Amino acid sequence: AQSVTQLDSHVSVSEGTPVLLRCNYSSSYSPSLFWYVQHPNKGLQLLLKYTSAATLVKGINGFEAEFKKSETSFHLTKPSAHMSDAAEYFCVVSLGGSQGNLIFGKGTKLSVKP
Amino acid sequence: NAGVMQNPRHLVRRRGQEARLRCSPMKGHSHVYWYRQLPEEGLKFMVYLQKENIIDESGMPKERFSAEFPKEGPSILRIQQVVRGDSAAYFCASSPPTTGETQYFGPGTRLLVL
Repeated sequence: AQSVTQLDSHVSVSEGTPVLLRCNYSSSYSPSLFWYVQHPNKGLQLLLKYTSAATLVKGINGFEAEFKKSETSFHLTKPSAHMSDAAEYFCVVSLGGSQGNLIFGKGTKLSVKP
Repeated sequence: NAGVMQNPRHLVRRRGQEARLRCSPMKGHSHVYWYRQLPEEGLKFMVYLQKENIIDESGMPKERFSAEFPKEGPSILRIQQVVRGDSAAYFCASSPPTTGETQYFGPGTRLLVL
């Protein structure tokens, strides 16, 4: 069965410092993996998507994530945090095929201090 | 190309009333998904529909909840005889006809049951 574990419920960084949001997945086959961001009282915006083409995936707003099969991880990083990055981030795995639904992690709330 | 549209954005109902949530997918998208987000939690899959067909409703509560995606018009998520526990944000997503494609989310409907 597919599942996603986000290891930190809350991460706090200072503006200008690196961001690391951790995600581990469990999948019985090669998954599609996503990171979505949700700003307060807003919908979800796709940050990036992994579908086996390249293990290092670049997304919007300077974010990137690396797929590591040996570690079953898909951590999200950004070299330098900006105040506008403060939001909730969801790591997501897709069942794909005839099962269209997504499995969401519980989310990591990112705070950025000035 | 307009994004996924949901209305209303906020809905207040009293216990026992009916709630109807609408979702218009992106142009060219024929797959619609509904998710529910309870406070402080990630999104949970409810139902996956294509035009006039329910593909997967494994996440739908057995009673009071129903969904449709007619040939014409928006997808509707209907909750009959609402209870306080139905208070949540309900998100709709859509994707193109090819299965496994990225899902694009609407802004959500926040339902409050008094």
